[in-house]
Amino acid sequence: EPEVTQTPSHQVTQMGQEVILRCVPISNHLYFYWYRQILGQKVEFLVSFYNNEISEKSEIFDDQFSVERPDGSNFTLKIRSTKLEDSAMYFCASSDQGWAGNTIYFGEGSWLTVV
Amino acid sequence: AQSVTQLGSHVSVSEGALVLLRCNYSSSVPPYLFWYVQYPNQGLQLLLKYTTGATLVKGINGFEAEFKKSETSFHLTKPSAHMSDAAEYFCAVNNAGGTSYGKLTFGQGTILTVHP
Repeated sequence: EPEVTQTPSHQVTQMGQEVILRCVPISNHLYFYWYRQILGQKVEFLVSFYNNEISEKSEIFDDQFSVERPDGSNFTLKIRSTKLEDSAMYFCASSDQGWAGNTIYFGEGSWLTVV
Repeated sequence: AQSVTQLGSHVSVSEGALVLLRCNYSSSVPPYLFWYVQYPNQGLQLLLKYTTGATLVKGINGFEAEFKKSETSFHLTKPSAHMSDAAEYFCAVNNAGGTSYGKLTFGQGTILTVHP
């Protein structure tokens, strides 16, 4: 069964460093997302991306964050200067359609620890 | 605005017993409702969803959920728990149109433990 894959599964980084989390969405999907879950908190929407541009972003997704589809298969989340509060599980997701009832497929997550 | 509340962060049942995981939502417009499951070291997997039509929705692994508009609920049930059902379960809602199609709002999750 097709799946969303994410790398790395776990990354530890120093505060202030840049981090890039990588994702390979399901191959025929055109809509891409990042969510995050801080330990003990709810899974939160960060950003949606379609046709090489951001469709929507949450208030969490400030100027420190950026997303990119550098080629035909990868989708990345960059955190420019990490803060302690960026420590969380980051989920990449994708879907084949852009409507609110469509199924969104999630990857296994990348656990980011900022020290 | 939309929100989801899952009653009970931990639920424990015996193998073979009924599983009931509660989810209530708030939404200003008719919602789309989802249940996702996360097994250890795995991603979020869709169990089932309600969009339109029949309010009783059947999903994978014998789970089902009923959309009750009058109670703003979407509780997840399974008649007989199996050890392999042990996981964390997330209820989510989406009722936005336009460019907010991917903006799921999640509940805090319920960890289901199944005892032999």
